[in-house]
Amino acid sequence: RKEVEQDPGPFNVPEGATVAFNCTYSNSASQSFFWYRQDCRKEPKLLMSVYSSGNEDGRFTAQLNRASQYISLLIRDSKLSDSATYLCVVNSGGYQKVTFGTGTKLQVIP
Amino acid sequence: DVKVTQSSRYLVKRTGEKVFLECVQDMDHENMFWYRQDPGLGLRLIYFSYDVKMKEKGDIPEGYSVSREKKERFSLILESASTNQTSMYLCASLLAVGGEQYFGPGTRLTVT
Repeated sequence: RKEVEQDPGPFNVPEGATVAFNCTYSNSASQSFFWYRQDCRKEPKLLMSVYSSGNEDGRFTAQLNRASQYISLLIRDSKLSDSATYLCVVNSGGYQKVTFGTGTKLQVIP
Repeated sequence: DVKVTQSSRYLVKRTGEKVFLECVQDMDHENMFWYRQDPGLGLRLIYFSYDVKMKEKGDIPEGYSVSREKKERFSLILESASTNQTSMYLCASLLAVGGEQYFGPGTRLTVT
């Protein structure tokens, strides 16, 4: 089993739709969690951290489910500019224990 | 704003050449990383450094070495480039464990 798994997509959604991605992780000792956004041919950039209590930033909501070992990202009222690949990142402790998922591609359609 | 720069956006080298990829960050971060990113495999850690002259192997160090002589600069060296090292190389810096990694724009290396 991979340490961090994501559905690669693509998720094709119309503008204004709500879309959710999940990311599962295998190490129950994982300590910190993040969602990064990567535009085509660009570097990853932090979208948001994922806290145990959940985290909301405008149209974006991230949640952590430790019991089932997954994190989620919900995007409401999708915009064309949300089209990107979303990377799940899990830190299981220490610098070398940061694991990136392979990403979920989102395409928002007019 | 944190800025991480990489010496080249695109690079084409021949098999057997020695290749240097440079990364510079301007935020006085202790920790720096080199990743490669390949389709379907995500980002994989090659090496990281948590201090000047300190380095640690990541998941795929074979065929690579690194140098950190100054805090702001972290270099990745391909001693003898091979075609399977064709990839996107991303450098990142980090203030502290558990925090945000800041990435450079990447170097797309092609080895022919």
